[in-house]
Amino acid sequence: DAGVIQSPRHEVTEMGQEVTLRCKPISGHNSLFWYRQTMMRGLELLIYFNNNVPIDDSGMPEDRFSAKMPNASFSTLKIQPSEPRDSAVYFCASGLRGITDTQYFGPGTRLTVL
Amino acid sequence: DAKTTQPTSMDCAEGRAANLPCNHSTISGNEYVYWYRQIHSQGPQYIIHGLKNNETNEMASLIITEDRKSSTLILPHATLRDTAVYYCIVRPDSSYKLIFGSGTRLLVRP
Repeated sequence: DAGVIQSPRHEVTEMGQEVTLRCKPISGHNSLFWYRQTMMRGLELLIYFNNNVPIDDSGMPEDRFSAKMPNASFSTLKIQPSEPRDSAVYFCASGLRGITDTQYFGPGTRLTVL
Repeated sequence: DAKTTQPTSMDCAEGRAANLPCNHSTISGNEYVYWYRQIHSQGPQYIIHGLKNNETNEMASLIITEDRKSSTLILPHATLRDTAVYYCIVRPDSSYKLIFGSGTRLLVRP
């Protein structure tokens, strides 16, 4: 199995630009999570999808952030407009909710907003 | 969710056992103990989890005290590749959330 796939691995953009991060979960998994990791705040859950439906988006910082999961094999996290304080590593994780509840993380996208 | 307390850092010699402690004195009866680790520049990696009984898999062993207020993750023969931050997480059976604390930074010395 290829594991969770994220793209791009690194993204450098300028303040005000739109950023789209992509995630392909492990085939057969029914839950998907987006996390953000910074030195100051550690690893934080942004949003959780179950069977492609957003269940908990209470961790999404503000309206500039949005996430979608159009099908079981793809999810996006969009930031528009981006700000320097959005610089962080963004992780996607997937799992089998109700079976094992273990979350498998992707390699992350390192975002730098100048 | 129950709070966990871990030492900030530890070290051990390569080839020796690494014993990482975790206190979770407010744990509830339906809460599992999970361990994840994060090697530098990688995503967190699941290691093991348990409820009451001790658990062992190909990566590690988890020892949970009888009162469940603390646990120890054991890496039986640590290698340099085990250098990472180790997170102890307590999670209710019904919850999907993993709340990561600061973890223990383990350094395995040659």
